[in-house]
Amino acid sequence: ETGVTQTPRHLVMGMTNKKSLKCEQHLGHNAMYWYKQSAKKPLELMFVYSLEERVENNSVPSRFSPECPNSSHLFLHLHTLQPEDSALYLCASSQGADGGTEAFFGQGTRLTVV
Amino acid sequence: GQNIDQPTEMTATEGAIVQINCTYQTSGFNGLFWYQQHAGEAPTFLSYNVLDGLEEKGRFSSFLSRSKGYSYLLLKELQMKDSASYLCAPSNDYKLSFGAGTTVTVRA
Repeated sequence: ETGVTQTPRHLVMGMTNKKSLKCEQHLGHNAMYWYKQSAKKPLELMFVYSLEERVENNSVPSRFSPECPNSSHLFLHLHTLQPEDSALYLCASSQGADGGTEAFFGQGTRLTVV
Repeated sequence: GQNIDQPTEMTATEGAIVQINCTYQTSGFNGLFWYQQHAGEAPTFLSYNVLDGLEEKGRFSSFLSRSKGYSYLLLKELQMKDSASYLCAPSNDYKLSFGAGTTVTVRA
């Protein structure tokens, strides 16, 4: 496997469910990110992890809870979501978290909240 | 914060040239990325400009003026496969912020 892998690719969940998105990178990078992409809107940065420590929480509601157990894995735990949270959730990684190196993106998880 | 402005849509003919402009306002600017995103796929890296001037990479070139907060992506010899969304992304510190993207449609 190469690059950044996200699972699942598609997820439908009810507003009372709890689910988790998984991201794995095989690039030896030190920084990992979660982005949200809604229709007709720019990519929104949600969380940044550098060397397994969260360095940015971009005013994201607490119903989204990230976890970074090691530099290769990143999770996004979801609970009591709202229909407006339906979007494409993209994980990315980069060599450093200084904004000076390119980010590699996973294919995303298409989330639908019903 | 980041104010990123780029056109919503552009249409061009196969073999032609298209220039996508991007203006931005940001503090602590590091450099500017351009990404390509095909429908239903992940964004992929195209270019990164740190210094003023033009960076050429095959059919794609990117220009940056730091003092003007301006960049453009130039696509030459357009091919049908270039139909995609092009995302302007200025970076500061560890934040990579994206514009809404310019959807380029290439017609035969």
